[in-house]
Amino acid sequence: GAGVSQSPSNKVTEKGKDVELRCDPISGHTALYWYRQSLGQGLEFLIYFQGNSAPDKSGLPSDRFSAERTGGSVSTLTIQRTQQEDSAVYLCASSLGHYRTDTQYFGPGTRLTVL
Amino acid sequence: ILNVEQSPQSLHVQEGDSTNFTCSFPSSNFYALHWYRWETAKSPEALFVMTLNGDEKKKGRISATLNTKEGYSYLYIKGSQPEDSATYLCASPETSGSRLTFGEGTQLTVNP
Repeated sequence: GAGVSQSPSNKVTEKGKDVELRCDPISGHTALYWYRQSLGQGLEFLIYFQGNSAPDKSGLPSDRFSAERTGGSVSTLTIQRTQQEDSAVYLCASSLGHYRTDTQYFGPGTRLTVL
Repeated sequence: ILNVEQSPQSLHVQEGDSTNFTCSFPSSNFYALHWYRWETAKSPEALFVMTLNGDEKKKGRISATLNTKEGYSYLYIKGSQPEDSATYLCASPETSGSRLTFGEGTQLTVNP
């Protein structure tokens, strides 16, 4: 079946502009995660959605970052007033449930470059 | 926040060599350990989810072991091939939920 998809695959923007990154999880997966990898860094958690529960936003680095998940499916990560330090690969993952043993399936990522 | 560490940071081997690398994690409140392979320009691919002390899992030429008492896992690749070239990541879920804390990865290059 279809895996996790993300769009766009690459995004180049100017400092100060807003960007939206999209994630389509695997159908039927109730949990959705956003991570990012900045240059020279490991994968870093950003935000997590589980069903109808309030999202875990504890990894968002600033209030310029927000995310929503509509209808329990598609998610959009929005970065307002982008800064050069926001340049990274943004990865989305989904899992069937929210247990710590559930495999998280990743999309191919969006490479964001802020000039 | 958990501290998950991987070593070495990078590794170059010849085709046909067997190799292994390490993931260390806090042994207290252990719940699970996830291994992923991430090839350039592709999605990270799940390899294993390990939960039990002494667990050993295998997928083709790749296997992994787990020691929860001392807080480490080894990933082994037997007879490395150029297509094994990738970054291998381990991750552990936080005690407060299922979000993963990743190590920085081991970048493996297999030379033909």
